[in-house]
Amino acid sequence: EAEVAQSPRYRITEKSQAVAFWCDPISGHATLYWYRQILGQGPELLVQFQDESVVDDSQLPKDRFSAERLKGVDSTLKIQPAELGDSAMYLCASSLAGSRGRSEQYFGPGTRLTVT
Amino acid sequence: AQRVTQPEKLLSVFKGAPVELKCNYSYSGSPELFWYVQYSRQRLQLLLRHISRESIKGFTADLNKGETSFHLKKPFAQEEDSAMYYCALSPPRTSGSRLTFGEGTQLTVNP
Repeated sequence: EAEVAQSPRYRITEKSQAVAFWCDPISGHATLYWYRQILGQGPELLVQFQDESVVDDSQLPKDRFSAERLKGVDSTLKIQPAELGDSAMYLCASSLAGSRGRSEQYFGPGTRLTVT
Repeated sequence: AQRVTQPEKLLSVFKGAPVELKCNYSYSGSPELFWYVQYSRQRLQLLLRHISRESIKGFTADLNKGETSFHLKKPFAQEEDSAMYYCALSPPRTSGSRLTFGEGTQLTVNP
C-alpha cells in the first residue's frame, strides 16, 4: 500500500543552524501539506501546495521557513536559522484532489526536530 | 477566526462502557468536520467525516450546528480504541484541505 515518506525521522540541531526535511507524497497526489505539531497540541498547517504552486502559506514564518515542490512531486521544508521554539514534529500529508472534490489527507510518519 | 476545542486532554473508560469525546468549534459559516485518530506508533489517519454520515469502527459523530459541536461517540468501547483522537475542521468547498485541528484527546480503554 502506498504511503507518504518522510526523512529524516529524527533530527537534532543546534540553534542558528539550518535544517531541511524531505517528503515524498503518494504517487499521483496533487496536493501536499506541511504541518508542525508542538508537543501536546494538534497539527498546525504551515503550507499547502497544489502541484508545484503554493496555495496557502499564511501560517509559515517566512523569515526563517521556506518550502518548495519544484516538480510538483516531492517537497522540502527548510528552517534557517533554527530556534529553540522550532522543536516539534513536522508532518507531511498528501491528498488526491485539487481545489474541487473531497479527498482524504494521508499523513507521513513525521520528522521529530529537537533544537538545542 | 476558526477554532476547534477539545476540552478533555485525557479520557479513561472501561471496556464495554460508552465513550464520548467532545469537540466544539467556532467558525462563521458551515465548515466540514472530521475526526482523525492516531494509534500508538502509527500515523495520523482519518476516522470519519460528518459529510459522509458513516459509522467507522463503531464510532459515530453528529454535527450539531446550534451548539457548534461534533462529538464522537461509541456505545461499547474496546481496548483497541485506545488512541489519540483529533477533531478538525475545514472551510466549506475546500475539499477537506486547510484543516484546523483541536489539541486532541488521549483515550484509554481499560480492560
